Amino acid sequence: EIVLTQSPGTLSLSPGERATLSCRASQSVSNNYLAWYQQKPGQAPRLLIYGASIRATGIPDGFSGSGSGTDFTLTISRLEPEDFAVYYCQQYGSSLTFGGGTKVEIK
Amino acid sequence: QVQLVQSGAEVKKPGASVKVSCKASGYSFTNYGISWVRQAPGQGLEWMGWISAYNGNTNYVQKFQGRVTMTTDTSTSTAYLELRSLRSDDTAVYYCGRDRVTSWYYFDFWGQGTLVTVSS
Repeated sequence: EIVLTQSPGTLSLSPGERATLSCRASQSVSNNYLAWYQQKPGQAPRLLIYGASIRATGIPDGFSGSGSGTDFTLTISRLEPEDFAVYYCQQYGSSLTFGGGTKVEIK
Repeated sequence: QVQLVQSGAEVKKPGASVKVSCKASGYSFTNYGISWVRQAPGQGLEWMGWISAYNGNTNYVQKFQGRVTMTTDTSTSTAYLELRSLRSDDTAVYYCGRDRVTSWYYFDFWGQGTLVTVSS
């Protein structure tokens, strides 16, 4: 099973700042089959990125994904108030597993 | 518009079974699969398995093998998750997510979630 480790656990930032979230895999993720989701309290997750870098339909271009192999990054260029949430990475290259999440909170 | 609407909250006793439904609309049901994901209170996301709505093929996470059954009813565009021999640590919100028809990938639409509480 591929274990995904997300860091940091919590990111404290101010609106307008740039957020950089990391997702590291215990082994290489084939075909860069890596997705990112955003989850707000009491809501279902929302797909942001798939294929490591492809934005899902309707996702603002302030969200970007990058990386390959074992190291992946989600970048939010300028935090809007609605971007404060928990973010999960998920790999689907070998079975399917989720990372433990990164909480982006208001500083 | 694509929608996945799940059944309501359930309270079950240890050892009982629960069946959660996920009714799809706004797309051709048999052109996609459905994955089920659960989230224990305050915890992260856990994938339980996948079913193809085209041919009923399934893939269950080993942890749930023998306790879980995923099915679909194409006449009503509804997917079902049945979990048996419930334990207190099965208390979670259960989500369905639209997936690919041939295998498990990522989920572009999600149901609103169904809270299952297991308590004596």
